[in-house]
Amino acid sequence: AQKVTQAQTEISVVEKEDVTLDCVYETRDTTYYLFWYKQPPSGELVFLIRRNSFDEQNEISGRYSWNFQKSTSSFNFTITASQVVDSAVYFCAGGETSGSRLTFGEGTQLTVNP
Amino acid sequence: DAGVIQSPRHEVTEMGQEVTLRCKPISGHDYLFWYRQTMMRGLELLIYFNNNVPIDDSGMPEDRFSAKMPNASFSTLKIQPSEPRDSAVYFCASSFWENQPQHFGDGTRLSIL
Repeated sequence: AQKVTQAQTEISVVEKEDVTLDCVYETRDTTYYLFWYKQPPSGELVFLIRRNSFDEQNEISGRYSWNFQKSTSSFNFTITASQVVDSAVYFCAGGETSGSRLTFGEGTQLTVNP
Repeated sequence: DAGVIQSPRHEVTEMGQEVTLRCKPISGHDYLFWYRQTMMRGLELLIYFNNNVPIDDSGMPEDRFSAKMPNASFSTLKIQPSEPRDSAVYFCASSFWENQPQHFGDGTRLSIL
């Protein structure tokens, strides 16, 4: 069975600080997919990124960057120069190549204070 | 383009009543998912469909829950009879193909009194 671990339940930072959210995906599969979603206070779930396990290149999108390391099954998410609008719950999720079932982590509540 | 549309946004009803949640996926998406979110259990997949056919319903909690997808643009999740422990936010999501990003609706906040 797959398991997604987000070790940080809550993180609080001051605006403009960099922050990294951790995610570890446990699976027996050698090929799998990883995702990050954002859930702001308004409640909707917003897709941020999808990564497959055979692509270890880091990805950057504006202030967001993602680091995937297959050796440790970690898919960490960094927000550079955080802003108050980044305050949300962030979910990491993983899925196998067979089927579309996603397993979500418990989420990390990020609070960015002004 | 319109995203996933769910209705109603909020539902408050009494225990024992039938509840029907509705979802319109993004046009062209072949996969549709129903999730439930609670503080205790987080985000749980209840069931998903591919081309209107249920593929995996192992997350459906019990026989009181049923889901249908009569066509590519509409799905329902029914709870009958409802119980207070069914109170949660129910999300519908759709994706173009397997292992592609799932795009979520705004959710239905369900309260069973």
